[in-house]
Amino acid sequence: GENVEQHPSTLSVQEGDSAVIKCTYSDSASNYFPWYKQELGKRPQLIIDIRSNVGEKKDQRIAVTLNKTAKHFSLHITETQPEDSAVYFCAASLNRDDKIIFGKGTRLHILP
Amino acid sequence: GAVVSQHPSWVICKSGTSVKIECRSLDFQATTMFWYRQFPKQSLMLMATSNEGSKATYEQGVEKDKFLINHASLTLSTLTVTSAHPEDSSFYICSARDSGINIQYFGAGTRLSVL
Repeated sequence: GENVEQHPSTLSVQEGDSAVIKCTYSDSASNYFPWYKQELGKRPQLIIDIRSNVGEKKDQRIAVTLNKTAKHFSLHITETQPEDSAVYFCAASLNRDDKIIFGKGTRLHILP
Repeated sequence: GAVVSQHPSWVICKSGTSVKIECRSLDFQATTMFWYRQFPKQSLMLMATSNEGSKATYEQGVEKDKFLINHASLTLSTLTVTSAHPEDSSFYICSARDSGINIQYFGAGTRLSVL
């Protein structure tokens, strides 16, 4: 089955700097890659997603890139703010199964 | 965004009792819902896929007789933890897939504590 690896497990960046979280997946048939943000004690919230027919997607300060050949995808957050502090999960999904397999998460700390 | 309601948010029960958790999609129909388990500071582990009108599909290692899933309507799936034991204590989260746009939305989760 699908396996999603995520790095780093913890990331601290100065407020205003950029943060990058990287993931790899194992199943080349995966074609949907969502990113979720989870604040302490709250539900995961979808922040951005990308499908395999595009290589990059941007939404304000957040962007995601996908390299299908290498089976890599990354989340980029620019001009980080204190409210960006949370746990971020990457995930991969096979359309035909619909289930989403999550990475282990990255705890992002934005330093003042 | 779409809303998924999960109840209860927190439950404490005695060992040996059963606990039912509900997951409802409030403003869309969900033929497929998913149940996850999350340990503190860890990722979401998929337990099973709940399909409306048919049997759930369980992930490897998840006991189907222990975690009973019912998806009787397009807006409701339930997870029943039968004969709960302390090791079943965890955070359980459901998600519902909006079939029209193929995006999953999560419930707020249920924290189960088994004494």
